[in-house]
Amino acid sequence: ETGVTQTPRHLVMGMTNKKSLKCEQHLGHNAMYWYKQSAKKPLELMFVYNFKEQTENNSVPSRFSPECPNSSHLFLHLHTLQPEDSALYLCASSQESGQRTEAFFGQGTRLTVV
Amino acid sequence: DAKTTQPTSMDCAEGRAANLPCNHSTISGNEYVYWYRQIHSQGPQYIIHGLKNNETNEMASLIITEDRKSSTLILPHATLRDTAVYYCIVRSPNTNAGKSTFGDGTTLTVKP
Repeated sequence: ETGVTQTPRHLVMGMTNKKSLKCEQHLGHNAMYWYKQSAKKPLELMFVYNFKEQTENNSVPSRFSPECPNSSHLFLHLHTLQPEDSALYLCASSQESGQRTEAFFGQGTRLTVV
Repeated sequence: DAKTTQPTSMDCAEGRAANLPCNHSTISGNEYVYWYRQIHSQGPQYIIHGLKNNETNEMASLIITEDRKSSTLILPHATLRDTAVYYCIVRSPNTNAGKSTFGDGTTLTVKP
């Protein structure tokens, strides 16, 4: 248990569906992140939020829409996905205070687009 | 952040020490070396980090060479549960902790 909880753990959705992934952290961290990990590929950073504000979007298609309503919650809204979007989606958080620190990851959501 | 190079895979016998090397020859003076691991289909887990001195915690030891161009993660008594992909990451303290660049890592297989 890392203190970062992702739901659901598994999701199967059709290409015309709309779904959302949820991430919650109870660590008091001020930064949150979404990563994508496709099969046999390294983790890819998608979005970065600092103090609820999006500070980085790594050329992610608009069919992925993040939302950070407060510093403890992060969502990834999905719509009109493609089969190649099937992957493990990981959320992470960290405390950015100028001191060296580490990131804490959730267990991920395994997404399958059919 | 500096690039790292790790072997693709390693095997280790259960109960023996696992020594995982990492090359980071372009590391800058203020960059830290971090190690994470990812057990199959789970999120990465932080293990240890260091700047120039050797570090030890309850999970592992980190040995950094004097010129800081390489390091070794040591799992002193590997168990089957240590089978995972191990990532060596170099990061500036000015970069968000969650903005780490995860390469391909080293797949460690601990065998009975």
